[in-house]
Amino acid sequence: NAGVTQTPKFQVLKTGQSMTLQCAQDMNHNSMYWYRQDPGMGLRLIYYSASEGTTDKGEVPNGYNVSRLNKREFSLRLESAAPSQTSVYFCASITGTGYYEQYFGPGTRLTVT
Amino acid sequence: RKEVEQDPGPFNVPEGATVAFNCTYSNSASQSFFWYRQDCRKEPKLLMSVYSSGNEDGRFTAQLNRASQYISLLIRDSKLSDSATYLCVVGPNRDDKIIFGKGTRLHILP
Repeated sequence: NAGVTQTPKFQVLKTGQSMTLQCAQDMNHNSMYWYRQDPGMGLRLIYYSASEGTTDKGEVPNGYNVSRLNKREFSLRLESAAPSQTSVYFCASITGTGYYEQYFGPGTRLTVT
Repeated sequence: RKEVEQDPGPFNVPEGATVAFNCTYSNSASQSFFWYRQDCRKEPKLLMSVYSSGNEDGRFTAQLNRASQYISLLIRDSKLSDSATYLCVVGPNRDDKIIFGKGTRLHILP
């Protein structure tokens, strides 16, 4: 049972490049989340998916797209990376069945130059 | 009023002391409350849930005050290993959002 996994762990992009951050969970959780964390800003929700086939915007969705590929996987895409998207990105999942502990992946450290 | 507010600290506390943090929340319809711990450059991990009746887990005690809309975390006999950032988490509310506070940094001093 690997929990929540994220790839890659580190990435450096040039402005304008695109990339997809991958997230997968093996706990049969319904809901999945993408957050970014910046110094002094705390965790900010980018997008979430309450169940397979649905996605919703969070607090800071601009510049990102997501895909809930199946119940296990939830990917985050940066179409045209900007320096303001330099951050640590965390994926998380919860059971969605009344007990809301979130399980987090180890994070992706992204630098956009 | 921000949705979830915490004192960012840092709290610099000598080893063995007792330290307490509060966290206030704005949405009175919030149903679930948690404290998470985040070590430097690591992912957040659940420390404990916060129940209406209050709950204790070893040296850690969490309390909920719905009337005043705050939760608290008390750490007794603090250890060097307690040094971390403690995140207050509230949710979900009607639109299923889980809100994280920005965290309180704790440094335990030898």
